[in-house]
Amino acid sequence: RKEVEQDPGPFNVPEGATVAFNCTYSNSASQSFFWYRQDCRKEPKLLMSVYSSGNEDGRFTAQLNRASQYISLLIRDSKLSDSATYLCVVNDLTGRRALTFGSGTRLQVQP
Amino acid sequence: EPEVTQTPSHQVTQMGQEVILRCVPISNHLYFYWYRQILGQKVEFLVSFYNNEISEKSEIFDDQFSVERPDGSNFTLKIRSTKLEDSAMYFCASSEGQGGREQYFGPGTRLTVT
Repeated sequence: RKEVEQDPGPFNVPEGATVAFNCTYSNSASQSFFWYRQDCRKEPKLLMSVYSSGNEDGRFTAQLNRASQYISLLIRDSKLSDSATYLCVVNDLTGRRALTFGSGTRLQVQP
Repeated sequence: EPEVTQTPSHQVTQMGQEVILRCVPISNHLYFYWYRQILGQKVEFLVSFYNNEISEKSEIFDDQFSVERPDGSNFTLKIRSTKLEDSAMYFCASSEGQGGREQYFGPGTRLTVT
C-alpha cells in the first residue's frame, strides 16, 4: 500500500472554479501534514501546513481527518497561476523529520 | 525573503565519477536535508543532518553518498561513484529548530549521469 496516495489527475478547470484535492496516508502515527505545490521541473514550494482544526489561507483551505487518515485541499476562485502539481506531504513519526511525498495531483486552470 | 540556494543548477558527469552538489541553507535554520526526484517520479527523502551529524537516512542513502557541512554556511552532498540511475533532480531543504517542521526547498541541481 502506498504511504501517501493522491489522484494524479489532471484536473482541468475553468478560471474562477472551485476545485478540491484529496489525499490519504497509511501511517496512523503520522504527525505533521503539508501541501506543497510544484511547477514543472521546479522545487516543491510550501503552500500550507495542515492542522487538526483545519486552516485557511486566502483562497486555500486545508482539512485533516485523522480518523479516516485523509487530507484535503480546496482552492476557490481558481487563477491561471494556480496551474501546478499539488503534493500531499506527511511527516511520519515523532522525532523523525523525513517528509514522505505523494506523487501529486496535477491542476490545469484554463481561461 | 531568505531562501535556500543550490549550485550548480545542472551537472553532467560520466558514470563512475564523483560529484559534489552544494547548498546554502537558510541562515538561521538548524536542520538540513537532501531529497531527490527522478524524472516523472515522486520526491524521495535521502538524508537529514543536525548538529553536524546525520540524524536520519533512507535506504537510498548507501555508502556511495555522504554529506558534509564544511563551514558555517554550506551543506554538500557527495556521490562517490555515480551510476546511471543516480540521474535525478537533487533538492536541498532546511527547517528551523525543534518547533518548526516546515521544510523549505532550494531550486535543485539536475544531475545527468552519462
